Amino acid sequence: KNEVEQSPQNLTAQEGEFITINCSYSVGISALHWLQQHPGGGIVSLFMLSSGKKKHGRLIATINIQEKHSSLHITASHPRDSAVYICAVHSGNTPLVFGKGTRLSVIA
Amino acid sequence: NAGVTQTPKFQVLKTGQSMTLQCAQDMNHNSMYWYRQDPGMGLRLIYYSASEGTTDKGEVPNGYNVSRLNKREFSLRLESAAPSQTSVYFCASLYGAMGNTEAFFGQGTRLTVV
Repeated sequence: KNEVEQSPQNLTAQEGEFITINCSYSVGISALHWLQQHPGGGIVSLFMLSSGKKKHGRLIATINIQEKHSSLHITASHPRDSAVYICAVHSGNTPLVFGKGTRLSVIA
Repeated sequence: NAGVTQTPKFQVLKTGQSMTLQCAQDMNHNSMYWYRQDPGMGLRLIYYSASEGTTDKGEVPNGYNVSRLNKREFSLRLESAAPSQTSVYFCASLYGAMGNTEAFFGQGTRLTVV
């Protein structure tokens, strides 16, 4: 079973700061997902990565397949970015395996 | 709107009562999943269905049953609820082929067993 570790568990940042959340996994994968969960509970998909880097607005996600590591970056953070960010991986048709999440609070 | 519809949103049960959580997706996805989310634990897989007519146990299946009624619907049943099943439950579907998949989640069911 793939073990997915996220760091940090909790993160508090000032508005405008550059934020990095890390995810590492133990077994080779076919895809890695970054998800966002706001207070109130809904989970939305931010990125799916199988290699390289993706960017959407102020969010950037990278993955290093050889090192089994991915990072999610938020540039110019804003209080509305406050949420739990979750990393999840899968191989082929296996179900998603989730990290425990990183709780981000951005203070104005 | 396309997506995963999960009901109910909230439920309180007494120990020993039964209930079924409903999940439906209108995206023609083959794979559907039930997860539970507990504080400090992340999402853990209860059961999944890789295709219509098939179901498999996940990491924490005890106390649950599932039914893949058709390609759209995947229900989760608690036959005799226990306080340990107090949790937030999420239904999900996964679409795509190797290296190019997208995950969709229901809004969650907050279940309290007293």
